[in-house]
Amino acid sequence: AQTVTQSQPEMSVQEAETVTLSCTYDTSESNYYLFWYKQPPSRQMILVIRQEAYKQQNATENRFSVNFQKAAKSFSLKISDSQLGDTAMYFCAFMKRRGYGQNFVFGPGTRLSVLP
Amino acid sequence: SQTIHQWPATLVQPVGSPLSLECTVEGTSNPNLYWYRQAAGRGLQLLFYSVGIGQISSEVPQNLSASRPQDRQFILSSKKLLLSDSGFYLCAWSLSQTSGRFYEQYFGPGTRLTVT
Repeated sequence: AQTVTQSQPEMSVQEAETVTLSCTYDTSESNYYLFWYKQPPSRQMILVIRQEAYKQQNATENRFSVNFQKAAKSFSLKISDSQLGDTAMYFCAFMKRRGYGQNFVFGPGTRLSVLP
Repeated sequence: SQTIHQWPATLVQPVGSPLSLECTVEGTSNPNLYWYRQAAGRGLQLLFYSVGIGQISSEVPQNLSASRPQDRQFILSSKKLLLSDSGFYLCAWSLSQTSGRFYEQYFGPGTRLTVT
């Protein structure tokens, strides 16, 4: 079974600084997808960034980028120029195909606080 | 564009009472649908997923059941609630595997259930 680990339950960063959230996963699959989701205090889950395992290039979305190390099964999220609106729970997620559906597994989350 | 609705937003129910939470998706056809539960301060636990009308897969044994009476409607039910059923319930959808970008999940606003 796949597992996703986020070893940092809580983190804080000063506004405009850079922070990196860690995620590791365990799988025997070779073809899968990885995601970072954000859950602000409103509780709405928002997709931040995704990475296809077959792509070596790290994904980037504006201030968000990932460091994907497939051999190490590591998928960290870097937030540059942190903003107050980045305060949220961040969940790392793993997905692989299963039959006609998908198998999503989420990590326990990291609570990020951006300080003014 | 696609939207996903959940209701009610909050619910307080006594132990032993029935439960019905509803989720509907607009703007897409034949989506894959998911029910998750999020305990306080915790990650997401997949409860059920569905790849089509009447097709339900259960991920964990529990006091809950799910049904999909229409293509874009997903219902979470219980005949008798337990205290341990309290939590935040999220519905999500993704495109089917035969569609293009099937590997992303999109979440509804959630239902906060308190069993007293």
